[in-house]
Amino acid sequence: DTGVSQDPRHKITKRGQNVTFRCDPISEHNRLYWYRQTLGQGPEFLTYFQNEAQLEKSRLLSDRFSAERPKGSFSTLEIQRTEQGDSAMYLCASSPGTPWNTEAFFGQGTRLTVV
Amino acid sequence: AQKVTQAQTEISVVEKEDVTLDCVYETRDTTYYLFWYKQPPSGELVFLIRRNSFDEQNEISGRYSWNFQKSTSSFNFTITASQVVDSAVYFCALSEAMAAGNKLTFGGGTRVLVKP
Repeated sequence: DTGVSQDPRHKITKRGQNVTFRCDPISEHNRLYWYRQTLGQGPEFLTYFQNEAQLEKSRLLSDRFSAERPKGSFSTLEIQRTEQGDSAMYLCASSPGTPWNTEAFFGQGTRLTVV
Repeated sequence: AQKVTQAQTEISVVEKEDVTLDCVYETRDTTYYLFWYKQPPSGELVFLIRRNSFDEQNEISGRYSWNFQKSTSSFNFTITASQVVDSAVYFCALSEAMAAGNKLTFGGGTRVLVKP
């Protein structure tokens, strides 16, 4: 088990372009989370999957953001028409889901820079 | 609404000194969970401890110790005899039992710099 893996680690894109990030959770973890962390701040919750079902989305997740977890394994986060305010670290985490409220394991994140 | 406050943005100490990180939380739930994570320069958040709202016993793990006080809504973290490898950003986080999927609300973090 290699932990939560995120790809790419860094992404620089021009404003207005679309970007997609991938997260591979720890195998057999049925819960997967996306968080966003801006410089000097704590991570903020974006969305959460239980298996392939997206069960909650934060108001931070505007219409330009979409996340999927098609087979309940890996997940993708897409940002359309990127803006400079989207520049941040995007963190993925997974947890087994049981026992209740066990800790989440985080990946190393994808750092997005919009120029 | 849940909220976590870490008033100290940065703490600088000399190696072998003790350092205490403060965490104050707000929640309306009676059942909740508190966490501490460490974020080294590599960026990955490393889990340190979880505590549920019904267990106020303090905990010690090696050089780390935690003091949970419901009366003051605080969950403080102490590193004893700090080492250079302890340099990182530390986050306190809260998860309410009623929150979908155990999502975490993080504080703003405290950067700890341990100088040799």
